[in-house]
Amino acid sequence: ETGVTQSPTHLIKTRGQQVTLRCSSQSGHNTVSWYQQALGQGPQFIFQYYREEENGRGNFPPRFSGLQFPNYSSELNVNALELDDSALYLCASSLPHGGSYEQYFGPGTRLTVT
Amino acid sequence: SQQGEEDPQALSIQEGENATMNCSYKTSINNLQWYRQNSGRGLVHLILIRSNEREKHSGRLRVTLDTSKKSSSLLITASRAADTASYFCATRRGNNNDMRFGAGTRLTVKP
Repeated sequence: ETGVTQSPTHLIKTRGQQVTLRCSSQSGHNTVSWYQQALGQGPQFIFQYYREEENGRGNFPPRFSGLQFPNYSSELNVNALELDDSALYLCASSLPHGGSYEQYFGPGTRLTVT
Repeated sequence: SQQGEEDPQALSIQEGENATMNCSYKTSINNLQWYRQNSGRGLVHLILIRSNEREKHSGRLRVTLDTSKKSSSLLITASRAADTASYFCATRRGNNNDMRFGAGTRLTVKP
């Protein structure tokens, strides 16, 4: 088990609603990345936060937004939920070392949009 | 879009046999990593191989990297039922902060 925690574990929302997912990074890690994993697929990079600022973004619309706090924990917010947003959302924390770093993943939040 | 493509999509073997999974990617990379995922839970980092390395070992794991063919392989020797999981390769390019994962290989090890 890594030291990365996520909440909630499961969530059911209705199309059009908004959702906030939370992640606590491993102690000492100042970088958090968020991924979306659809059923049967590999994780897709949403964005990364480093020292409270967005530090890279994948091909996701602006209704996916995030925050990182001074203690390096992070939130993922999704507005105007769509059915295709149903997925496992994973966060991963790391310490960047010259571009080569190991990521420690949390257990994920399973979001279902109906 | 996903960078890596794992092959095969699914693999079923008997305990004690070796399992080989392959990964191909499309662009030049800084490093390639292999991860394991049990039943839709979080991913666990297995091994990282840098673009200037050709082979790396960790316990029962052996990873090779061929940058000229843009491919990597993961070998698990003497497999155990507990190795049953999905295995993903992930690549990073230069200083890009996003890691690109493939769709994974689902490994089943029968006792």
